[in-house]
Amino acid sequence: GAVVSQHPSWVICKSGTSVKIECRSLDFQATTMFWYRQFPKQSLMLMATSNEGSKATYEQGVEKDKFLINHASLTLSTLTVTSAHPEDSSFYICSARVPVLGYEQYFGPGTRLTVT
Amino acid sequence: KNEVEQSPQNLTAQEGEFITINCSYSVGISALHWLQQHPGGGIVSLFMLSSGKKKHGRLIATINIQEKHSSLHITASHPRDSAVYICAGGGADGLTFGKGTHLIIQP
Repeated sequence: GAVVSQHPSWVICKSGTSVKIECRSLDFQATTMFWYRQFPKQSLMLMATSNEGSKATYEQGVEKDKFLINHASLTLSTLTVTSAHPEDSSFYICSARVPVLGYEQYFGPGTRLTVT
Repeated sequence: KNEVEQSPQNLTAQEGEFITINCSYSVGISALHWLQQHPGGGIVSLFMLSSGKKKHGRLIATINIQEKHSSLHITASHPRDSAVYICAGGGADGLTFGKGTHLIIQP
C-alpha cells in the first residue's frame, strides 16, 4: 500500500527559531500533498495544498510567510515553521494524493511540534 | 463551504457490542473518508467511499449519496478498537474533518 512518512515525529524548539518538517511518499509519486494541523482536542484543519513544481495554496487565516511549503519533487514536500511561537505548538500531519488514483489520501504519521 | 457533522461525540460500549458512528456532510463533498486516530496522534485511513458500502474485517462503512450520510460500523467490538474515529469529506481538494467520535470499548 501507499506509505507516507514524516520527519521528525516530534520536535521541541525555542521561540523565534525555525523548524522544518518533511513529508515523503515512499512508494509512489504524489503530485499533490496537503498539510493539516490539529490543536489539542480539536479537529484537523487544512493549512495548505502543495502541488509539485508550483506554489502552495494556503487556506484563509494561514500565513504563507510563516508556514513555508516547498514541494520540489514528486516524493517530498516540506513545511517550515518560521519564527515559531508557542501558539504554533500543534500536531502537523501531511497527506498525499495521486490524482489518477482518485480522491484517496494517504496520511503521514504526524509531527508534534512544541515551541517553548 | 464544506461541512461535516459527526455523531456521537463520545461513545463507551462493552466488548462485543455493535458500534455505529454517523456522519452527515454538505453538498460539494464527492468522497467521504473514515479515519482512525490513536492517542499518539497518528492517522490511519480506514475507508474512502463515494458510493455504496465497503467492508474490511470487522469494519463496515456505508454511504447514502442522496441523503449525504455515511455510517461506520464495528462488529464484535474489542478494547483495541478504542480510538477517535473521524469522518472527513472532500474531493480534489483537501479534506474537511468532522470533530471525531471518541470511542472507548470496555472489556
